Amino acid sequence: EAGVAQSPRYKIIEKRQSVAFWCNPISGHATLYWYQQILGQGPKLLIQFQNNGVVDDSQLPKDRFSAERLKGVDSTLKIQPAKLEDSAVYLCASSPEAASTDTQYFGPGTRLTVL
Amino acid sequence: GQNIDQPTEMTATEGAIVQINCTYQTSGFNGLFWYQQHAGEAPTFLSYNVLDGLEEKGRFSSFLSRSKGYSYLLLKELQMKDSASYLCAVREEGGSYIPTFGRGTSLIVHP
Repeated sequence: EAGVAQSPRYKIIEKRQSVAFWCNPISGHATLYWYQQILGQGPKLLIQFQNNGVVDDSQLPKDRFSAERLKGVDSTLKIQPAKLEDSAVYLCASSPEAASTDTQYFGPGTRLTVL
Repeated sequence: GQNIDQPTEMTATEGAIVQINCTYQTSGFNGLFWYQQHAGEAPTFLSYNVLDGLEEKGRFSSFLSRSKGYSYLLLKELQMKDSASYLCAVREEGGSYIPTFGRGTSLIVHP
């Protein structure tokens, strides 16, 4: 079974530029998550999708971050414009359903450096 | 909201046993996860506890005490490849069942 795919793996941009990340979850998984992991910290949830609907985006900085999952499969996360403090690893995860016993499966992440 | 606390770093010797503690405060507990994360890689699932007691899975065991807001991950017969960050994550009742992660404990295993 293929795992969660993410691209690109690495991205370096200058502040005020825009960047987009792509995620393809495990086939059949209804729930998709985007996390931000700053060096030395645990992952922090940015947004959760159930199929193509947003379940929780309370921690997404909506003035600069946006995400979509139009067909309920792939998802993109965009930052526009980027700030220095956005330097982090952006992890995508998926799970079959958003049930209490569900395990999340993480992708390899995209390491973003903002200069 | 939740408050999750784990030690920042631990060191241990190959072949030994190490216990990584996690304490938490939550308004409505609904499960605790442990994940392993090697440097530069994604977290991978190790264990899930929702009831009190010990769950054993090979060299790894996880313990939960809901009344004390406490869990530990026990690693036996340590190997060099166990050097990684170990993340404790707690899920609250209701809502979207999203777990909140602690900062992680960096475990260094030396010969």
